[in-house]
Amino acid sequence: DIQMTQSPSTLSASVGDRVTITCRASQSIISWLAWYQQKPGKAPKLLVYMASSLESGVPSRFSGSGSATEFTLTISSLQPDDFATYYCQQYNSYSTFGQGTKVEIK
Amino acid sequence: EVQLVESGGGVVRPGGSLRLSCAASGFTFDDYEMSWVRQAPGKGLEWVSGLNWNGGSTGYADSVKGRFIISRDNAKNSLNLQMNSLRAEDTALYYCARSHSSGYYDYWGQGTLVTVSS
Repeated sequence: DIQMTQSPSTLSASVGDRVTITCRASQSIISWLAWYQQKPGKAPKLLVYMASSLESGVPSRFSGSGSATEFTLTISSLQPDDFATYYCQQYNSYSTFGQGTKVEIK
Repeated sequence: EVQLVESGGGVVRPGGSLRLSCAASGFTFDDYEMSWVRQAPGKGLEWVSGLNWNGGSTGYADSVKGRFIISRDNAKNSLNLQMNSLRAEDTALYYCARSHSSGYYDYWGQGTLVTVSS
């Protein structure tokens, strides 16, 4: 089974900060990686797929990069609406999620 | 508008069974693979099970293999999850999710809560 490890688990940041979240796969998943945002009491929302493709309607301050086993999600200038928990997901072999990164207000 | 509406959750005793359903609308249901993803209270997301467009190919997480059965009824635009031999660790919010052809989830329902407790 492919394991996904996100870091950090929690991130404290201020509005306007550049934020980077890392996701590592236990084996190569090529570019079969997605990122989701989840707010309390809500279903996850797709942000990025294929490691770097932005889902329609997602603000351009979000970007994804990486390949093989190391991937990043970057928020270029954190906005108040971005405080949430973020998950990566590999879909190279079935599906596995990272444990999540909570972005909280500093 | 794509809509996924889960139902069937509730409180069940350990060892019991429950059947979840997901009603899909707003898209051609049999064009898509579908999955169940769960989230235990205060925890992260866990893929549970998925199947292809006609139900001929299915997959399960090791944690539910042999206990859960996923199925679909394309005539009724419905996805189902039969959950048997339930355990306390199956307590979670169960989401129905539409899979893009490559495997990521582009639409999610709001979830149905399953609580396994004596």
